[in-house]
Amino acid sequence: SAVISQKPSRDICQRGTSLTIQCQVDSQVTMMFWYRQQPGQSLTLIATANQGSEATYESGFVIDKFPISRPNLTFSTLTVSNMSPEDSSIYLCSVEGQGTETQYFGPGTRLLVL
Amino acid sequence: GESVGLHLPTLSVQEGDNSIINCAYSNSASDYFIWYKQESGKGPQFIIDIRSNMDKRQGQRVTVLLNKTVKHLSLQIAATQPGDSAVYFCAENITGRRALTFGSGTRLQVQP
Repeated sequence: SAVISQKPSRDICQRGTSLTIQCQVDSQVTMMFWYRQQPGQSLTLIATANQGSEATYESGFVIDKFPISRPNLTFSTLTVSNMSPEDSSIYLCSVEGQGTETQYFGPGTRLLVL
Repeated sequence: GESVGLHLPTLSVQEGDNSIINCAYSNSASDYFIWYKQESGKGPQFIIDIRSNMDKRQGQRVTVLLNKTVKHLSLQIAATQPGDSAVYFCAENITGRRALTFGSGTRLQVQP
């Protein structure tokens, strides 16, 4: 499976500010995804990060709030914009394994908004 | 199905016992299922998967059972060890979406 890293691993931010989370993979992958995991809860898909085109967002998530970049096949960023305490969550990127539908996850970014 | 929210259902077992974690899924179009293990402070770790054309698949110390009639998935862990203590999530892939829908999770506590 691919090795996935995320930066930062955690952060504490003030409301109204924005944070950009990076996801780096050690091999080229077609499909990359961003998930949110609110405290004590399961994972919810935010969007699919498409290389060379706009991300595909799930219901309830919008580009203005969660802009995503995917400049190449090994890297993606998720920005959490104009943060509020309700955005405090773990944000996880995942990639689809080569030739499979299996998804492998990064270690996550733990965000606390004050 | 399992409850959602801040209070995850918890399964407590003795070390060496077998564990069974259950998951109900809602979409009959789902054709691929995965079990993940998430330890505190880490991302979900792939354990085992199964396709809808199978009803059982075995790995090392783990077995996944799929009952499509009642839309039920289970994960069996043999000879449970303290290192198995974690939250376990099932996930389903709906045909054509290539993006996972996660269940609410079960916390497994292994008592030494």
